[in-house]
Amino acid sequence: EIMMTQSPATLSVSPGEGATLSCRASQSIDSHLAWYQQIPGQAPRLLIYDASTRATGIPVRFSGSGSGTEFTLTISSLQSEDFAVYYCQQYHHFYTFGQGTKLEIK
Amino acid sequence: QVTLRESGPALVKPTQTLTLTCTFSGFSLSSGQMCVSWIRQTPGKALEWLARIDWDDDKVFSTSLSTRLTISKDTSKNQVVLTMTNMDPVDTGTYYCARGGVGAIDWFDSWGQGTLVTVSS
Repeated sequence: EIMMTQSPATLSVSPGEGATLSCRASQSIDSHLAWYQQIPGQAPRLLIYDASTRATGIPVRFSGSGSGTEFTLTISSLQSEDFAVYYCQQYHHFYTFGQGTKLEIK
Repeated sequence: QVTLRESGPALVKPTQTLTLTCTFSGFSLSSGQMCVSWIRQTPGKALEWLARIDWDDDKVFSTSLSTRLTISKDTSKNQVVLTMTNMDPVDTGTYYCARGGVGAIDWFDSWGQGTLVTVSS
């Protein structure tokens, strides 16, 4: 099973600032990575697929990068609605999710 | 517009079988390389993929849960049914169905709102 490790577990950032979330795969997954946002009480929402392609309707302040085993989700100029939990997920071989990064207001 | 909605019991007893239904609209599971997956979110394992059924009726299961899961589809009703046998309290969590996993969409682009299942006697 491919393991996905996200860091940090919690990130405290002030509104208007940027945030960088990391995700590492236990083996190469090429660019077969997605990012999701989950607001408490809601289902996950797709943000990014194929490591760097924004899903339909996702603001340009969300960007993804990386390939192989190291991936990054960058959110520029955080808005109030961006404070949530973010998960990475690989679909290179079956599907596994990271444990999530909670983005909280500083 | 793609929508999915899960339905099923909120409470099941240990050792019982859980049956969940996903009713979807906005796409067809009989063509277009579409598929539907089940994913759960538990306190212990966060998000965990369970099973997938494809437009051609191919079925794929989580290795760790394969002996307990079955999945089927009714294309005339736009429904996918998941059953999980021998339920245990550690299976307590929110169960989601989502579009995607292979074919035209390798990722999960649309999710239902989830249904909370509690396993308790």
